Amino acid sequence: GAVVSQHPSRVICKSGTSVKIECRSLDFQATTMFWYRQFPKKSLMLMATSNEGSKATYEQGVEKDKFLINHASLTLSTLTVTSAHPEDSSFYICSGVGMGESYNEQFFGPGTRLTVL
Amino acid sequence: GNSVTQMEGPVTLSEEAFLTINCTYTATGYPSLFWYVQYPGEGLQLLLKATKADDKGSNKGFEATYRKETTSFHLEKGSVQVSDSAVYFCALFRGGSNYKLTFGKGTLLTVNP
Repeated sequence: GAVVSQHPSRVICKSGTSVKIECRSLDFQATTMFWYRQFPKKSLMLMATSNEGSKATYEQGVEKDKFLINHASLTLSTLTVTSAHPEDSSFYICSGVGMGESYNEQFFGPGTRLTVL
Repeated sequence: GNSVTQMEGPVTLSEEAFLTINCTYTATGYPSLFWYVQYPGEGLQLLLKATKADDKGSNKGFEATYRKETTSFHLEKGSVQVSDSAVYFCALFRGGSNYKLTFGKGTLLTVNP
């Protein structure tokens, strides 16, 4: 199956700093990538949808100036958490949708655990 | 709009017990249906899927049948193992231009030896 990687897998940062998380599709071209946030013992919350070369579409209630998403190529999307606060601590997961036969399936990354002190 | 309802659990079973996790959906047309599994500290992995009515998805001993008449996609396994302990998510994909998945809230399964 298609592989999606995320880097870093874990990050700890101080309050007020910015953190960048990378999401890469390793063996397919992801025309669309999604970013999710997962709280402990809760389901996934879709944050935004990004299409290569265009601005991300954010879900209602997600601050686009705080969670900056860039999808500059068909294999890379980045999520930058700006001016991070402890309440931003969470598990962030990305996924990608490929072209062709795999277009109707999302392939998920392993997730990034963010802890803001 | 689209929605997925699954039993929230938690579900606790003994090894070799039979597992059923119920999932029903609401959607127009003919969505594709998925079960994802999330092991502790990891991302989501596709467990199985079905793309049309009466299809049966199966993988690693798990099965689910796409029942359009009851709008259901229940997950079953005849004999669970300790290694099956994880969170299971039911999801649907309706298609269109945005490829969004609609997820259920997830069911935590714990299998004891």
